[in-house]
Amino acid sequence: AQSVAQPEDQVNVAEGNPLTVKCTYSVSGNPYLFWYVQYPNRGLQFLLKYITGDNLVKGSYGFEAEFNKSQTSFHLKKPSALVSDSALYFCAVRDIEVQAGTALIFGKGTTLSVSS
Amino acid sequence: DAMVIQNPRYQVTQFGKPVTLSCSQTLNHNVMYWYQQKSSQAPKLLFHYYDKDFNNEADTPDNFQSRRPNTSFCFLDIRSPGLGDAAMYLCATSPPSGRASGETQYFGPGTRLLVL
Repeated sequence: AQSVAQPEDQVNVAEGNPLTVKCTYSVSGNPYLFWYVQYPNRGLQFLLKYITGDNLVKGSYGFEAEFNKSQTSFHLKKPSALVSDSALYFCAVRDIEVQAGTALIFGKGTTLSVSS
Repeated sequence: DAMVIQNPRYQVTQFGKPVTLSCSQTLNHNVMYWYQQKSSQAPKLLFHYYDKDFNNEADTPDNFQSRRPNTSFCFLDIRSPGLGDAAMYLCATSPPSGRASGETQYFGPGTRLLVL
């Protein structure tokens, strides 16, 4: 069964410091991996994805994520956090062997709080 | 430019009174999804349409139905809402498998349903 784990409910970081939001996954085949961000009372916004190729993926708003197959991880990173990055972050996975339209499996989410 | 539009943004209904939530898209995507997101939880897929083909998740209650009259519109019908159905309902779209976009899902802003 596919699954995603986000081990931290909350991450706190000071503005200007680097941030990391952790994600590990479990799929039977090769994964599609995604990060989404959700601001209060809003839908999910796509940040970035890994399909294949370079293990370091760059996305929106200065975020990047590194795919590590041996550790089955896909941690989200940003070199310098902004207060406006404070939001709820979801990691998601789907198995590329499954046909189109299958659900993304989401982690439980990590709340990022950036203090000024 | 709005791409996935959900109306209304907030919906209040009474216990047992049928309610319909709507979603429209300007992306011309084949696949449309409905997710339920309860407070502080990850989104959970209820069902999706691949073109006109309806795919129900195994654990979606019979109380939840959906209609897709054309490519652009999709509706979520809750026949007899209970207090436990209060949640954010998210609509999403994606292109079919094989596209370069890698099946990124694009989410609407959500409709928050309150059941009195």
